[in-house]
Amino acid sequence: EDQVTQSPEALRLQEGESSSLNCSYTVSGLRGLFWYRQDPGKGPEFLFTLYSAGEEKEKERLKATLTKKESFLHITAPKPEDSATYLCAVQPRGGGGADGLTFGKGTHLIIQP
Amino acid sequence: NAGVTQTPKFRVLKTGQSMTLLCAQDMNHEYMYWYRQDPGMGLRLIHYSVGEGTTAKGEVPDGYNVSRLKKQNFLLGLESAAPSQTSVYFCASSYGTSYEQYFGPGTRLTVT
Repeated sequence: EDQVTQSPEALRLQEGESSSLNCSYTVSGLRGLFWYRQDPGKGPEFLFTLYSAGEEKEKERLKATLTKKESFLHITAPKPEDSATYLCAVQPRGGGGADGLTFGKGTHLIIQP
Repeated sequence: NAGVTQTPKFRVLKTGQSMTLLCAQDMNHEYMYWYRQDPGMGLRLIHYSVGEGTTAKGEVPDGYNVSRLKKQNFLLGLESAAPSQTSVYFCASSYGTSYEQYFGPGTRLTVT
């Protein structure tokens, strides 16, 4: 069974204090790993897709990396507007039919001014 | 482009009532999905569609039905609502497998 575990569940940082969020996954062959941002009362907003170990992607203060067992979302010098819940999801490779994503429970990030 | 839109935004039902949630996308995506999100749990896939006229079951399909009569629309139906179906429902769409999914704003459903 595909599983995604995110840690920590919640993280409170001071503005400018860099940190990393972890996403550990167990999947029978990885087709893709996705990071989303979700603000309260809204739908998830796509951030990154990673397809193979060693791959990295960056966007503003965010950088996502991928290994064979986990992914990290690094946040550099965060600002209060980076406060949100960050979701990690995997899409397994191959049959079985389901082309949907398996999501973790998310990391609730709060950036204090 | 409106992206993915969902109707209604909020709904309260009594146990046993039925309703249909509508999802529409204007990105010409082939794939569409319905998820539910509950406190303390990740998003879970209910049903999905890989093209007009096709549907398939996801992880938690019981109590729901879907239809994809037009490429741009994906309907989620509850025939006899139960309190366990109280949740936030999200629709998503994508070009295909391996592509990112784009989500709608959600429908908050309460079943009393």
